[in-house]
Amino acid sequence: EAGVVQSPRYKIIEKKQPVAFWCNPISGHNTLYWYRQNLGQGPELLIRYENEEAVDDSQLPKDRFSAERLKGVDSTLKIQPAELGDSAVYLCASSVTGMNTEAFFGQGTRLTVV
Amino acid sequence: GDSVTQMEGPVTLSEEAFLTINCTYTATGYPSLFWYVQYPGEGLQLLLKATKADDKGSNKGFEATYRKETTSFHLEKGSVQVSDSAVYFCALYSGAGSYQLTFGKGTKLSVIP
Repeated sequence: EAGVVQSPRYKIIEKKQPVAFWCNPISGHNTLYWYRQNLGQGPELLIRYENEEAVDDSQLPKDRFSAERLKGVDSTLKIQPAELGDSAVYLCASSVTGMNTEAFFGQGTRLTVV
Repeated sequence: GDSVTQMEGPVTLSEEAFLTINCTYTATGYPSLFWYVQYPGEGLQLLLKATKADDKGSNKGFEATYRKETTSFHLEKGSVQVSDSAVYFCALYSGAGSYQLTFGKGTKLSVIP
């Protein structure tokens, strides 16, 4: 069974440019998360989807970040325009709905803004 | 709000040494507790979990016991191997309506032969 797939693995862009990350969750997983992991830190939640609905986006910087999950499957996270401080690893995870269920993580996209 | 505090790394041990990585938490309600591991170049993987007080999670020789009285979930392994070298994250899933994992900062473990 395929795991959570993210692309690209690495991205280097100049500040003020736009960037997008893509995530394909595990088949049948209704819940999808986007996390940001800064260097030397643990992941922090940006947004959580239940099917196609964003049920928790309180920590998403909405002035420059946006996300969508079309048809409740794949998801895209976008930053426009990127800032130097956005350099981080962006992680996607998915799970079946429920509190104690395991979240499966993708390998992440490492973004460097120069 | 919810928070997780892990011991600072990096931790360097010789092969077959005993490992303890301390983790304490603050949460409302009755959280579930997790240890995730991140091997070099790979994504986060669930190592073990415990969903209620006094539960012991175990996997691959690692174990951790959910201690409500001390709000702790320390990770232990009796004899580490070089292949255990990775970053370990303690995390909690709160029962107070916050359906997200809250992670600690991670502890990097290096095991030398």
